[in-house]
Amino acid sequence: DQQVKQNSPSLSVQEGRISILNCDYTNSMFDYFLWYKKYPAEGPTFLISISSIKDKNEDGRFTVFLNKSAKHLSLHIVPSQPGDSAVYFCAASADDYKLSFGAGTTVTVRA
Amino acid sequence: EAQVTQNPRYLITVTGKKLTVTCSQNMNHEYMSWYRQDPGLGLRQIYYSMNVEVTDKGDVPEGYKVSRKEKRNFPLILESPSPNQTSLYFCASHGRGGLYNEQFFGPGTRLTVL
Repeated sequence: DQQVKQNSPSLSVQEGRISILNCDYTNSMFDYFLWYKKYPAEGPTFLISISSIKDKNEDGRFTVFLNKSAKHLSLHIVPSQPGDSAVYFCAASADDYKLSFGAGTTVTVRA
Repeated sequence: EAQVTQNPRYLITVTGKKLTVTCSQNMNHEYMSWYRQDPGLGLRQIYYSMNVEVTDKGDVPEGYKVSRKEKRNFPLILESPSPNQTSLYFCASHGRGGLYNEQFFGPGTRLTVL
């Protein structure tokens, strides 16, 4: 049973607009959350993370929001650029060595 | 250049023929993991290692073996591959204290078992 869920398999957005990716989790022991980005034929690369003691973390165009009571997090990309077209994975952990991933959301940024 | 390497990148084999996928990292990381990626399921952890000679099962360990005899290497062994092990495999590593911010993934190995 997947403990991290990304219910939107795909997202299409116009260049310059905001992309919002959503992620839900079921395990209340998760205390660290991450987003990874993956291009075809490459391994995932770390994008941004947030600890459960925070509700927001920002890094340039990328912001992650965490709502612990709802067990929900989201990734905002503003403004979206063509190079942002990729698969985005949400992940969560409760310790140093196990990560649980969502199924991924494919983002397509239209010119 | 800091990196995780995997070999082979592509492999087609037949049911029951033992195979090994190698993984090596040059960052002196303590932690290493193997994942498989399947459509609609994301990445699922197969095995992980916290240091030399210390390994443990992830979420989907059935049909796989690993070993960690050296810090830099973490091979994945399929003793008797079956078609349901057809997947895209990733090796990853990160250092102690770095949490997952510094987790590096290899480029992936696409395995097809006929």
